[in-house]
Amino acid sequence: AQKVTQAQTEISVVEKEDVTLDCVYETRDTTYYLFWYKQPPSGELVFLIRRNSFDEQNEISGRYSWNFQKSTSSFNFTITASQVVDSAVYFCALSEARGATNKLIFGTGTLLAVQP
Amino acid sequence: NAGVTQTPKFQVLKTGQSMTLQCAQDMNHEYMSWYRQDPGMGLRLIHYSVGAGITDQGEVPNGYNVSRSTTEDFPLRLLSAAPSQTSVYFCASSSRIYQPQHFGDGTRLSIL
Repeated sequence: AQKVTQAQTEISVVEKEDVTLDCVYETRDTTYYLFWYKQPPSGELVFLIRRNSFDEQNEISGRYSWNFQKSTSSFNFTITASQVVDSAVYFCALSEARGATNKLIFGTGTLLAVQP
Repeated sequence: NAGVTQTPKFQVLKTGQSMTLQCAQDMNHEYMSWYRQDPGMGLRLIHYSVGAGITDQGEVPNGYNVSRSTTEDFPLRLLSAAPSQTSVYFCASSSRIYQPQHFGDGTRLSIL
């Protein structure tokens, strides 16, 4: 069965600190897709990144970076030099290719609070 | 360009009442989904559709119905509201399979 685990329920950091949000997934498929979404206090869900199971290259976008390791079934998200505007709930999600349903399985989310 | 539009934004119902949450997208997306978000549980898939006329159940479908008569609209019906259905409901769409899903702003539903 597919599952996404975000063990960190809440993280609090001080502005300019680096922070890593963990995501561990379970799937029996060899082809799958991983996503990160951000939910700021205003409540909308904002897409951050998609990664497929065949692309293990790490990705950097500004202060954001993602580390995908198939060997440990992890897709961790690091924010460098955090800012107050980064305060949000962050969700990791998994979509399996099998069945072609486009279903997303979400983790329970990590609430990040960045203090000024 | 409105994206995914959900109405209403807030609703309070009494137990046993029925209602329809509306979802419309103007991006000509084939794939649409309904999720509910509960504290500590992330988002869970209720129903989804891979195109007009095609729907299927997700993880938590009981108590909800959907239909997809057009590409644009994907309404979610609560047949007989129960307090356990108090939640925030999100509708999402994507252009192709495994592409990022675009989410609406959500409907906050309270059942008394």
